[in-house]
Amino acid sequence: QVQLQESGPGLVKPSQTLSLTCTVSGGSISSGSYYWSWIRQPAGKGLEWIGRIYTSGSTNYNPSLKSRVTISVDTSKNQFSLKLSSVTAADTAVYYCARGLGRDWGQGTLVTVSS
Amino acid sequence: DVVMTQSPLSLPVTLGQPASISCRSSQSLVYSDGNTYLNWFQQRPGQSPRRLIYKVSNRDSGVPDRFSGSGSGTDFTLKISRVEAEDVGVYYCMQGTHWPITFGQGTRLEIK
Repeated sequence: QVQLQESGPGLVKPSQTLSLTCTVSGGSISSGSYYWSWIRQPAGKGLEWIGRIYTSGSTNYNPSLKSRVTISVDTSKNQFSLKLSSVTAADTAVYYCARGLGRDWGQGTLVTVSS
Repeated sequence: DVVMTQSPLSLPVTLGQPASISCRSSQSLVYSDGNTYLNWFQQRPGQSPRRLIYKVSNRDSGVPDRFSGSGSGTDFTLKISRVEAEDVGVYYCMQGTHWPITFGQGTRLEIK
């Protein structure tokens, strides 16, 4: 069974870039026709799909974040990554990585934007 | 964006009784391949979301058969035939037909 694990700084300063990595284990990130996604959830609130990447490198970003988001994949490391630039307090959330349409999720990592 | 509207937002249920959550989309969720990409998720307190149902009515492996999904077009329902204590949490519908993928606001199920 595929497992996903998010990693990265838990604290980011305003105006800086949030960077997270998702490591996939239990299977190759390149196998199957899946795509790999980032989703976030502010404390006590609902879920927002940030974007997704296919192993071909093709990406789709949520228009609400598109100007600030970059998702990339490193198949040699079985990882994919999220960069979110110019962060503000509104970007404070638990960030999840997921496979496909939510078949598998990571445990989530809390990122706080604060000086 | 496709707006997903769930009701009710709060659902107190007695143990052993049935529960039902409605989800309506602002556009049809039938994709060009003929599939309807409507999923249901359960999020227990302090946990990641867990997919229960995909493509309207297909239960994921390991999901108890007391959970069932139904619907078509823009109108969908998640039913729990007999609520158990472990079912407490927030339930979300999600559409994967149109980009961006969007979720409902969530329905909080609690034991009465």
